[in-house]
Amino acid sequence: NAGVTQTPKFQVLKTGQSMTLQCAQDMNHNSMYWYRQDPGMGLRLIYYSASEGTTDKGEVPNGYNVSRLNKREFSLRLESAAPSQTSVYFCASSERYRRDEQFFGPGTRLTVL
Amino acid sequence: AQSVTQLDSHVSVSEGTPVLLRCNYSSSYSPSLFWYVQHPNKGLQLLLKYTSAATLVKGINGFEAEFKKSETSFHLTKPSAHMSDAAEYFCVVSVSYKLSFGAGTTVTVRA
Repeated sequence: NAGVTQTPKFQVLKTGQSMTLQCAQDMNHNSMYWYRQDPGMGLRLIYYSASEGTTDKGEVPNGYNVSRLNKREFSLRLESAAPSQTSVYFCASSERYRRDEQFFGPGTRLTVL
Repeated sequence: AQSVTQLDSHVSVSEGTPVLLRCNYSSSYSPSLFWYVQHPNKGLQLLLKYTSAATLVKGINGFEAEFKKSETSFHLTKPSAHMSDAAEYFCVVSVSYKLSFGAGTTVTVRA
């Protein structure tokens, strides 16, 4: 099993450009999450999908949209990138959305110039 | 509301000596608690979790943590540090769907 995979690993954008970060899991998990990691701030939840067909805002959703394409895949879209969105983005999944451990992907390092 | 505070942003230890990473939490409800480790340029890996069973939780790689409700703490320990323990460690509290992450503690291990 590959676990949680993310593409791309690295990306550089110019301000105003758009892009989609892809995430897939092969553990048959119901819940999936997108986080961003910034120095000294831990991980902050952007959006989550408790189950296939549902998505909800997390702590820092502004400037992002998500799509739960199917049970395996959960994408994060930046419509108009801003320098404040320079960060490392992690996708995670869990069997249920309560109390279960989350499994993390390797991350996408995004720089917005 | 819930929150988690990691009391040390950086801990430096000598190889073979004990490691202590401190974590305090606040939660209105009975939480689940986790410790994750992140090695450089890698994703997060679960070390251990507490979900209202035994208060002393054993994890991978010789780590363990003790849940103390009266002190609202969940400190992580290891009796003997190894060079491979150099990483960033996150304490996480979970209530319902939401995980709240501490800011992280960076551990360096001196030879």
